[in-house]
Amino acid sequence: DTEVTQTPKHLVMGMTNKKSLKCEQHMGHRAMYWYKQKAKKPPELMFVYSYEKLSINESVPSRFSPECPNSSLLNLHLHALQPEDSALYLCASSQMGGPAQPQHFGDGTRLSIL
Amino acid sequence: QKEVEQDPGPLSVPEGAIVSLNCTYSNSAFQYFMWYRQYSRKGPELLMYTYSSGNKEDGRFTAQVDKSSKYISLFIRDSQPSDSATYLCAMSRYGQNFVFGPGTRLSVLP
Repeated sequence: DTEVTQTPKHLVMGMTNKKSLKCEQHMGHRAMYWYKQKAKKPPELMFVYSYEKLSINESVPSRFSPECPNSSLLNLHLHALQPEDSALYLCASSQMGGPAQPQHFGDGTRLSIL
Repeated sequence: QKEVEQDPGPLSVPEGAIVSLNCTYSNSAFQYFMWYRQYSRKGPELLMYTYSSGNKEDGRFTAQVDKSSKYISLFIRDSQPSDSATYLCAMSRYGQNFVFGPGTRLSVLP
């Protein structure tokens, strides 16, 4: 079992729906990340939160909206997604931001856009 | 040229074999190196984390970094069918997030 918990595990939504992905960690980590992973491809970084503040946005479309309510929680709000947004969305955390700390991943939310 | 290169495989080996997985990179500034294992429909699981050059061993796994050749390796001894997965290398330098290799699919046959 991973120490980064993501819910839901699977999500199917229409292009006009609004939904949210949730991520929780209780390792006391202060940096949290959202990645997108397409089949047979490596994870692609979307957002980085460091000490609950957004520090990196990798030019992600505004239909993806991240939120970090506290140091243990990370949300990704979804609205008006496109079929090409279907992918595995991974959350990760590290003790602090930056590459000196390894990142620990959750098992992801598999998202399908109809 | 991609920043991180990795043979996608698939790599098939018999149970008990020694497996060698490799990544090459172009950015000589990379200092931090990680290996992840990813099973189908699961998130990446951290196997090894190393800083700068040298070797690191953890059970059946050994990670090697050769910065002069810009080459990193992960060796798996006494491979098991449960080692069948995709192996991702990732690397970074100070001030930059990790860059992942494309991954190598490994199949260990019983």
